[in-house]
Amino acid sequence: KAGVTQTPRYLIKTRGQQVTLSCSPISGHRSVSWYQQTPGQGLQFLFEYFSETQRNKGNFPGRFSGRQFSNSRSEMNVSTLELGDSALYLCASSLGYSGNTIYFGEGSWLTVV
Amino acid sequence: AQSVAQPEDQVNVAEGNPLTVKCTYSVSGNPYLFWYVQYPNRGLQFLLKYITGDNLVKGSYGFEAEFNKSQTSFHLKKPSALVSDSALYFCAVRDRSGATNKLIFGTGTLLAVQP
Repeated sequence: KAGVTQTPRYLIKTRGQQVTLSCSPISGHRSVSWYQQTPGQGLQFLFEYFSETQRNKGNFPGRFSGRQFSNSRSEMNVSTLELGDSALYLCASSLGYSGNTIYFGEGSWLTVV
Repeated sequence: AQSVAQPEDQVNVAEGNPLTVKCTYSVSGNPYLFWYVQYPNRGLQFLLKYITGDNLVKGSYGFEAEFNKSQTSFHLKKPSALVSDSALYFCAVRDRSGATNKLIFGTGTLLAVQP
């Protein structure tokens, strides 16, 4: 069974540009969450989707957005990139909410120059 | 507010010795607790979780963790460390109430196993 798949794995963008990251959850998983990992702030929750609905949102500016499609695949978008957005972006998926295991992908490394 | 504390930035242990990585949590209700491991330039790999039942949870690669409600702790342990266990370990908590899979992570503990 394939794990959580994130694309692209590595990317470099320029300040002011926008970026879209993609996540394919484990087959059958309907809950998808996104996290940002930086050396200074650690792992921070971005947002969470279930059945195409955003269920929860972290404390990030409106430049960070996401969505989930009917096949549970998810995308996150960051507009007007800033140097501080350089981070590892991790996607996680789970079957549901009853204590199900939450599995993470390998992440997308974003560097903003 | 929920929080997780990993009091040690780094734990050093000799190969073959037992290891403990500490985690304490704060949550209003009953928690779901998780341990993940991260190898360099990789994502998070699930090790084990506490949902309910037996306080001693066994996970992948010989790791186990003990849930202690009175001390609000969930320390990760392994009887005999391997050099290949060297990695960054994260403890995480999820509030049991509500329909959310939002995890609150600790700051991570770097485990260094010397040969």
